[in-house]
Amino acid sequence: SQTIHQWPATLVQPVGSPLSLECTVEGTSNPNLYWYRQAAGRGLQLLFYSVGIGQISSEVPQNLSASRPQDRQFILSSKKLLLSDSGFYLCAWSVLGDGYTEAFFGQGTRLTVV
Amino acid sequence: AQTVTQSQPEMSVQEAETVTLSCTYDTSESNYYLFWYKQPPSRQMILVIRQEAYKQQNATENRFSVNFQKAAKSFSLKISDSQLGDTAMYFCAFTPYNNNDMRFGAGTRLTVKP
Repeated sequence: SQTIHQWPATLVQPVGSPLSLECTVEGTSNPNLYWYRQAAGRGLQLLFYSVGIGQISSEVPQNLSASRPQDRQFILSSKKLLLSDSGFYLCAWSVLGDGYTEAFFGQGTRLTVV
Repeated sequence: AQTVTQSQPEMSVQEAETVTLSCTYDTSESNYYLFWYKQPPSRQMILVIRQEAYKQQNATENRFSVNFQKAAKSFSLKISDSQLGDTAMYFCAFTPYNNNDMRFGAGTRLTVKP
């Protein structure tokens, strides 16, 4: 069965420090991968999605970046965090197919920038 | 780009009663998928129900059903016999068929009262 791992679960980082959140998927190949951010009490904002190794689409220009070094690995990074980067980050994967598609989510990372 | 709108930030319902959550979307695509996801206090995203746009029949899953109006670009969720465990944030989501871009609405916070 497919599983998705996202870590760390919580993170407190000072302003200006770097960030690296990692997400890995097991039990499937060539998934679509997504990074979302959820601000407190708000909806899900799509940050990046990837359809394959090295292929990243960015939705929101900001100081965050994403990389996909392996088929089932998706990394969210920042060189210098801002206070506004605080939020709940969710990684998700999906495989599109006729009659079957949905996104499966990781447990999320609560990031607090102080 | 596709947009998803949920106009009800918060709703409440008495236990055992019925509630309907609204969702509208904007797209030029003709084939796509629509979803309702539930996010309980644990923040784990859970798929509630899925609808393929090419199917005229409304999807149902036990106490959950949708009213899909393609021409109106409307996709509402009806929860019958509401239970305390239904208390959660509910997100409407859209993804074009054979595309890789899943968009979410801002969410509706549903509280089921005993």
